[in-house]
Amino acid sequence: EIVMTQSPATLSVSPGEGATVSCRASQSVSSNLAWYQQKPGQAPRLLIYGASTRATGIPARFSGSGSGTEFTLTISSLQSEDFAVYYCQQYNDWPPYTFGQGTKLDIK
Amino acid sequence: QLQLQESGPGLVKPSETLSLTCTVSGGSISSSTTYYWGWLRQPPGKGLEWIGSIYYSGITYYNPSLKSRLTISVDTSKNLFSLKMSSVTAADTAVYYCARVLTGSWNYPIFFDPWGQGTLVTVSS
Repeated sequence: EIVMTQSPATLSVSPGEGATVSCRASQSVSSNLAWYQQKPGQAPRLLIYGASTRATGIPARFSGSGSGTEFTLTISSLQSEDFAVYYCQQYNDWPPYTFGQGTKLDIK
Repeated sequence: QLQLQESGPGLVKPSETLSLTCTVSGGSISSSTTYYWGWLRQPPGKGLEWIGSIYYSGITYYNPSLKSRLTISVDTSKNLFSLKMSSVTAADTAVYYCARVLTGSWNYPIFFDPWGQGTLVTVSS
């Protein structure tokens, strides 16, 4: 089973600033990685797939990069609605699909 | 717009079977051959775990750690799919989500979009 490790666990950022969330896979997942955003009391929402392709309706301030074992989700100019928990998920080697433990982005 | 809605008991006794249904609206489970339909869960305050996925034809994939206790089925006539998990314990307490699963190469399921709102299932006597 591939283990996905996210860092940091919590990231405090001021509105208008940028934020970077990292995700590392225990073995290569090629570009088979997705990112999700989850707000309190809500279901996760797909942001990025294929490591760097934005899902339908996702603002351009969200971008993904990386391949192999190292991935990054970057949010430029944070808006109030972006403060949430972010998860990465690999779909290269399954079952099972596996998720990172989550990174909480909160307001500084 | 596709919507998914989970339903089922919010409280299940230990050792009993958890049963949930996901009703799909705004689209047909069987009309597209490019989607699977999946179940995931999230224990309170914790991360996400994939449970299993099913194709409209009945092809299923299960999380190996849960496989012995799982049955996922589909009813295309009612446009819904279901989850049964047997011999539950307190560790199965979680918000259970259903989701559409996009497919990739060779029509294998890959990632999840959209998700239902989730339903909390508590295992307690």
